[in-house]
Amino acid sequence: QVQLVQSGAEVKKPGASVQVSCKTSGYTFTTYFIHWVRQAPGHGLEWMGIINTDDGVTDSAHNFKGRLTMTRDTSTSTVYMELNGLTSGDTALYYCVREKPGGGFDIWGHGTMVSVSS
Amino acid sequence: QTVVTQEPSLTVSPGGTVTLTCASSTGAVTVGCLPNWFQQKPGQTPRTLIYSSYNKHSWTPARFSGSLLGDKAMLTLSDVQPEDEAEYYCLLYCGRTWAFGGGTKLTVL
Repeated sequence: QVQLVQSGAEVKKPGASVQVSCKTSGYTFTTYFIHWVRQAPGHGLEWMGIINTDDGVTDSAHNFKGRLTMTRDTSTSTVYMELNGLTSGDTALYYCVREKPGGGFDIWGHGTMVSVSS
Repeated sequence: QTVVTQEPSLTVSPGGTVTLTCASSTGAVTVGCLPNWFQQKPGQTPRTLIYSSYNKHSWTPARFSGSLLGDKAMLTLSDVQPEDEAEYYCLLYCGRTWAFGGGTKLTVL
């Protein structure tokens, strides 16, 4: 079955970087895009960015441009999200979610909690 | 920057019907905006209910339906069940970027 398994919780200090991984299985990796979405405690969902797992091309929301890097490793069917210059405002649950090109969102990862505190 | 607007909250009686809407600051929501709808219950991961305007997944209950009407995307719940109480989010690709709405808290009372 299709699975998106994310890496474990992280605690970081302000100014640091964090990398979250999303290991996929159960389907052909390069036929689906992967999006990153976050949710701050008590808040709604926020779209962060997308990676085309076939060619590695990425796009990110305006709020994250210059701070968000998404990469993929086709040999392990894993996508990575790195966010740098962390502030307390980046404390959130980070999700990866799969999209069949054309708007077909379906499976979500279980989420990775990132806490930023001095 | 695209702003996506949803009703902050709605209340419906069990067995009733309710429609949630999703509007874009870029203008009319069309099929090209690829509307998706998600359900999130407290403490749980979001679950995709509707993709590309009106398509359902195998796990989507039949009482959920997606549509476009006027200049908005809509999610209609028929014969609402107590377990439908949740937060509902729409996601649009209008303005050549993806953006979530602020969510609608649906109360079944």
